[in-house]
Amino acid sequence: SQTIHQWPATLVQPVGSPLSLECTVEGTSNPNLYWYRQAAGRGLQLLFYSVGIGQISSEVPQNLSASRPQDRQFILSSKKLLLSDSSFYLCAWSPNPRGELFFGEGSRLTVL
Amino acid sequence: GQQVMQIPQYQHVQEGEDFTTYCNSSTTLSNIQWYKQRPGGHPVFLIQLVKSGEVKKQKRLTFQFGEAKKNSSLHITATQTTDVGTYFCAPRGSGGSNYKLTFGKGTLLTVNP
Repeated sequence: SQTIHQWPATLVQPVGSPLSLECTVEGTSNPNLYWYRQAAGRGLQLLFYSVGIGQISSEVPQNLSASRPQDRQFILSSKKLLLSDSSFYLCAWSPNPRGELFFGEGSRLTVL
Repeated sequence: GQQVMQIPQYQHVQEGEDFTTYCNSSTTLSNIQWYKQRPGGHPVFLIQLVKSGEVKKQKRLTFQFGEAKKNSSLHITATQTTDVGTYFCAPRGSGGSNYKLTFGKGTLLTVNP
């Protein structure tokens, strides 16, 4: 069966520090991968999605970037965090472009 | 991504009462998905509706897709405390492939035991 792993689950970072959130999917190949952000009590904002290795589409560039170095690995990064980056980040995968999404457990980021 | 309006934003009910949340689009949709997110958790896929006028049931949950494929609803009969959470609709536009899946703002359901 397919599983998705996302880490770290929580982290506290100072303003201006770098960020790296990692997501991996097991049990499938060539998944569609997504990064979403969710502010407290709010909806889901699509940040990036990828349909293949090295193929990244950005919805909200800002100071975040995403990379897909391997088929089942999706990384969310920032060179310098802002206070406004504090949020709940969710990775998700889909078996096909129009299928349902399976979400990871999420990473709760606090920037101080 | 496809934009929709999801209402209400919040709904508080007594256990045993019914609950309905609505998603409305100004354009025709290809399909629509529904997700549930428990407090502190991640969204979990509930169902996908594709056909015009489609109605699907999962125990006490009834999902409908409008005849014009512009709106959808989720109805819960006789709510239980386990139904607490935020319910999101996620529409896909019609015409060609659409890899992006955007979500409505969600309806937060709280149930008083």
